[in-house]
Amino acid sequence: EAGVAQSPRYKIIEKRQSVAFWCNPISGHATLYWYQQILGQGPKLLIQFQNNGVVDDSQLPKDRFSAERLKGVDSTLKIQPAKLEDSAVYLCASSLGVVTGHRFPNTEAFFGQGTRLTVV
Amino acid sequence: DAKTTQPNSMESNEEEPVHLPCNHSTISGTDYIHWYRQLPSQGPEYVIHGLTSNVNNRMASLAIAEDRKSSTLILHRATLRDAAVYYCILDSGAGSYQLTFGKGTKLSVIP
Repeated sequence: EAGVAQSPRYKIIEKRQSVAFWCNPISGHATLYWYQQILGQGPKLLIQFQNNGVVDDSQLPKDRFSAERLKGVDSTLKIQPAKLEDSAVYLCASSLGVVTGHRFPNTEAFFGQGTRLTVV
Repeated sequence: DAKTTQPNSMESNEEEPVHLPCNHSTISGTDYIHWYRQLPSQGPEYVIHGLTSNVNNRMASLAIAEDRKSSTLILHRATLRDAAVYYCILDSGAGSYQLTFGKGTKLSVIP
């Protein structure tokens, strides 16, 4: 079974530039997550989609970050303009999610390898 | 949200068992206990989860206290590949599946 695919693996940009990350979740997974992981910390949830609708974006800095999930499959996360403090690993994950209104308690999330962003 | 508390770091000798503790004194009756781990330069990966009873799978065992206020992840025989950050996470089992990560426990395995 193919895992969660992310690209690019690494990106270096100057502050105030824009950048975009792409994620392809596991086929059939309704829920998609974007996490930000700063060095030495645990991942922080930025946004969670259920199909193509947003479930939670309470920790997404909406003045500079945006995310979309077209057709409920692939997703992109964009930063514009980037700041030095945005340097981090951006992780995408997917899970089976809610099916016909039922949440399976034994759901697990599958993570991609992440994109390491360095803002200089 | 219910919180978890884990030691910042632990060490283990290779081929010995490892017991990674997690305290979750404010756990609710419907919260599931999940463990994920993150190997260096990798995304987190699922290890095990449970509700009330102890659980075993090919990777590890999960021992849950009778009052559910704490749990222990058991690696029966640590290998160098088990060196990672281990996260203990609570999930309500309802609504959307959302993982809130803390700082976790960094496990070092000594050859």
